[in-house]
Amino acid sequence: AQSVAQPEDQVNVAEGNPLTVKCTYSVSGNPYLFWYVQYPNRGLQFLLKYITGDNLVKGSYGFEAEFNKSQTSFHLKKPSALVSDSALYFCAVRAVPPGGYQKVTFGTGTKLQVIP
Amino acid sequence: NAGVMQNPRHLVRRRGQEARLRCSPMKGHSHVYWYRQLPEEGLKFMVYLQKENIIDESGMPKERFSAEFPKEGPSILRIQQVVRGDSAAYFCASLSDREGYGYTFGSGTRLTVV
Repeated sequence: AQSVAQPEDQVNVAEGNPLTVKCTYSVSGNPYLFWYVQYPNRGLQFLLKYITGDNLVKGSYGFEAEFNKSQTSFHLKKPSALVSDSALYFCAVRAVPPGGYQKVTFGTGTKLQVIP
Repeated sequence: NAGVMQNPRHLVRRRGQEARLRCSPMKGHSHVYWYRQLPEEGLKFMVYLQKENIIDESGMPKERFSAEFPKEGPSILRIQQVVRGDSAAYFCASLSDREGYGYTFGSGTRLTVV
């Protein structure tokens, strides 16, 4: 079974400071890893993914994430937080290869609050 | 490409009524997934369908809930005899057959049972 843990329900950061939203995962074999963002009363928007290759992946809105296989982590980062980054962030994983069955498992989400 | 379309955006039902939630996947996507999001909770997988077939319904309650994805038309998530505990946001996502891509989500249907 695959699973995702987001240990922090909420992260508070001052505008302009770097931010990190933590994610660890458990999956059999190699993972595909994703980050999504959800604004209030909206659906989920794709931010970035790790499939293979460089451990540091860059995504939308200046976000990046680092894949660490030994620590089974995929933390989301941004060098300088904006108030507009305040939202709910979900980490997700699915196993590779999919074998035709491609269920993605989501974490419980981390609410990011950027303080002006 | 219009993305994943869900309707209605908001749905209010009285206890005991039926709720029908619709999802049209992105053009060319043949995989559809339904997730439920309860307040202060994450996304819970409900069901995975691939054109006319239910691949995995392990997350869907055995009673009152059903899903379909016909050859023509949108995917339908149907909840019969709704109860207050069914109030939630229901999200549909579709996936391309191309390897290595994540879901594209719809904007969700917010079901309120009164």
